[in-house]
Parts: sequence; structure tokens; C-alpha cells
Amino acid sequence: GNSVTQMEGPVTLSEEAFLTINCTYTATGYPSLFWYVQYPGEGLQLLLKATKADDKGSNKGFEATYRKETTSFHLEKGSVQVSDSAVYFCALRGHGNQFYFGTGTSLTVIP
Amino acid sequence: GAGVSQSPRYKVAKRGQDVALRCDPISGHVSLFWYQQALGQGPEFLTYFQNEAQLDKSGLPSDRFFAERPEGSVSTLKIQRTQQEDSAVYLCASRETSGDVTGELFFGEGSRLTVL
Repeated sequence: GNSVTQMEGPVTLSEEAFLTINCTYTATGYPSLFWYVQYPGEGLQLLLKATKADDKGSNKGFEATYRKETTSFHLEKGSVQVSDSAVYFCALRGHGNQFYFGTGTSLTVIP
Repeated sequence: GAGVSQSPRYKVAKRGQDVALRCDPISGHVSLFWYQQALGQGPEFLTYFQNEAQLDKSGLPSDRFFAERPEGSVSTLKIQRTQQEDSAVYLCASRETSGDVTGELFFGEGSRLTVL
């Protein structure tokens, strides 16, 4: 079946620190992979996506590379800002229309 | 509207009451999804509509849960005889097309249900 496992939080970093949030997946076939972000008081919104192996999704300084050999899609940012404080969800879409989400990782960036 | 709109944002129900949660998707979006998000968890799939047709309801946890989208736009998720374990945030999402496997989901802010 399809599932997503992501690094548990919460994660607290100082401003300008390097961020990695690990995400691995189990899927049949070749899923599309996504990172969604939920800022305080707001709905989930798409951060980035990758649709095939070796694709790199990027947005707002965040990057994630679709690694089929390790079934991973780790989220990285070289220098986090206070405004990046949010909950981050890794997700996959396999065959059909269901999206499968990880449990979310809460990030707090302190000045 | 500009985004997916859900109402009410907050709902407190006594155990055994029926509740109805409304979702107004982005205009013209074909696909509509309902998810349940328990505290500290990721969203869990409940059901999926393509226009007015409910194509997948495999995630509905019991026959107390019922969803409809009669005219292919607004959708209502109804929970009958609510139980405490139904307490969660109910998220609605829409997508422009049905066939695009890479299509982005647009989420509403959710309806937080608390069952006492």
C-alpha cells in the first residue's frame, strides 16, 4: 500500500540555520511527491512537488529531490527565516486520486 | 471565490448530535476531497467527488458519515450521532481537473469539530 513517514518534530532552529526534514515513502508504481506547508491559522498550501525520479522541486528557497533508490523526498533549506515557522507535511499521490500525508513536522525558527 | 471556503470554522457538538460541515470549492474545480485530521496527525482521506459523482468513499470511517455534492460545486459532510472520536479538523480540498496526476490540491482552512 501507500504510506509516508516523515521526521517527527518539533524542530527548533535559529535563524539562518540549515534545515532538513526527512521523508520516506512506500508506494506501488511511481507516485508524485509533494511538500505542503501549514502556516499558523491557515490551510495547507503546496510548497513544492516532483513527479518523477530525480526531479527536484523548489520554491521559496526550499528544495526536495525525488530519490527512487532510497524512496525519499527530504526537504531542505539552506538558511531558514522566522517566517518559515510552520508545520510541514510530506505527501504522495499514487494511482487514483488519493493523497497520502505524513504526520507533519512542526518547525519553529527563533531570531 | 478566491479559495476553498469551509464553514463553520469551529463546531462544538454534544455526543449524539448530528453535524453538517460545508465546503465551497474554487469555482470550476472538478475534483473535491474531504480529509480528517486528528490532533498531531496528518490528513486522512475520507472521500472524493468528481463533479457530483462520489467516486471513492473508502475512507469514511463508518456509516454515520455521509457526504454529498449534488450540483457538482458545494459539498456537505454530514456526521450523524457524533461520538467523541469524531473530534478532529475536517479539511476540504479541490483540484481543477481529475486526470492530472500532478495536479495541486487547494485546501480550505478546515472545520474544527469538538464532540463533548
